[in-house]
Amino acid sequence: ETGVTQSPTHLIKTRGQQVTLRCSSQSGHNTVSWYQQALGQGPQFIFQYYREEENGRGNFPPRFSGLQFPNYSSELNVNALELDDSALYLCASSLDSGLNSPLHFGNGTRLTVT
Amino acid sequence: RKEVEQDPGPFNVPEGATVAFNCTYSNSASQSFFWYRQDCRKEPKLLMSVYSSGNEDGRFTAQLNRASQYISLLIRDSKLSDSATYLCVVNEAAGNKLTFGGGTRVLVKP
Repeated sequence: ETGVTQSPTHLIKTRGQQVTLRCSSQSGHNTVSWYQQALGQGPQFIFQYYREEENGRGNFPPRFSGLQFPNYSSELNVNALELDDSALYLCASSLDSGLNSPLHFGNGTRLTVT
Repeated sequence: RKEVEQDPGPFNVPEGATVAFNCTYSNSASQSFFWYRQDCRKEPKLLMSVYSSGNEDGRFTAQLNRASQYISLLIRDSKLSDSATYLCVVNEAAGNKLTFGGGTRVLVKP
């Protein structure tokens, strides 16, 4: 059983640029959630994808967008990067979108915006 | 008021001692509760789900108090390896999201 994998592990971008982060879900999981974790804080929910459709969204602006593919892997896209976007971006997969399905996290992508 | 609140700590705990801490949540309709553990610069990992009747997993005991809207985690016989940040996670009844608290840092010292 393969776990959740994310790429890249680290990324440095300049303010105003665009970035795409990638995530492969754990085998058998059809739901992917993305979280942003700033230093010293808990993860903040960005959105969730279930069977290729957005299935819930947190308080993030539209420049944060995503996709889920038929194999349940997912992308997070951020346009017009701002300095405050510097954070650890965590992808988590779960067995389904049910409320009792625990999240299994990848190692994260550490994004630095300069 | 934050949706999920935790004392950030750190809780400095002598090895072998017991430590307990709470997490309060604001949405009375929340239905699912979890504790996650996060080591420095690592991803969160599920420690345990929290059930209405309370549950225990080895040295760890979780409780839910719906009337006062908080969950708790107790660690008995603390080990050095228990040093980590413990994240409280609560589902939102609507919106299909799990909301994390800010975490409670625990440092177990010899």
